[in-house]
Amino acid sequence: AQSVTQPDIHITVSEGASLELRCNYSYGATPYLFWYVQSPGQGLQLLLKYFSGDTLVQGIKGFEAEFKRSQSSFNLRKPSVHWSDAAEYFCAVGAGGSGYSTLTFGKGTMLLVSP
Amino acid sequence: EPEVTQTPSHQVTQMGQEVILHCVPISNHLYFYWYRQILGQKVEFLVSFYNNEISEKSEIFDDQFSVERPDGSNFTLKIRSTKLEDSAMYFCASRTDRGRDEQFFGPGTRLTVL
Repeated sequence: AQSVTQPDIHITVSEGASLELRCNYSYGATPYLFWYVQSPGQGLQLLLKYFSGDTLVQGIKGFEAEFKRSQSSFNLRKPSVHWSDAAEYFCAVGAGGSGYSTLTFGKGTMLLVSP
Repeated sequence: EPEVTQTPSHQVTQMGQEVILHCVPISNHLYFYWYRQILGQKVEFLVSFYNNEISEKSEIFDDQFSVERPDGSNFTLKIRSTKLEDSAMYFCASRTDRGRDEQFFGPGTRLTVL
């Protein structure tokens, strides 16, 4: 069965500093990988996704993620964090057949942005 | 931009009572999902629904749970006899039937069982 590990429960970053959120997955085949963000009182919004091809994927709000098969990782990065990026971030792996069916989520990383 | 909507945003119920959580998926989507997130824990898959039947379900989705698409727009999750441990945020999601499209999530319903 697939699983996702986000080792950091909380991360605090100064506004304007760079950000990297870690995600490791376990899945027997080529995974479909996602990063979602959840602001308070909001649903889960997709930041970016990886299915195949270029291992560096660009998403919304200036985020990017790099798929590294050798490390089973899909870390999320942003070169300069804004206060509005404070939220909880979830990495997820999709599994199943020619597309994917269900998502398995990590526990999430809460990003705090300090002035 | 189309979005998934969920009602109510917060539901409080007594243990043993039945609850129905409501979702309106995006109109051209064909796969529908329920996930839940117990406070402080990860988002967990409950059930997926396609072509008017359950396509996949997790171990959490036992006989106390059921889903229904009563008309062309709504997708409901029913818990027959709620337990304290059912207290959680329940998310509805939907997507197209194209294998590489993402799931779109609603804002969630917070269920509190007293």
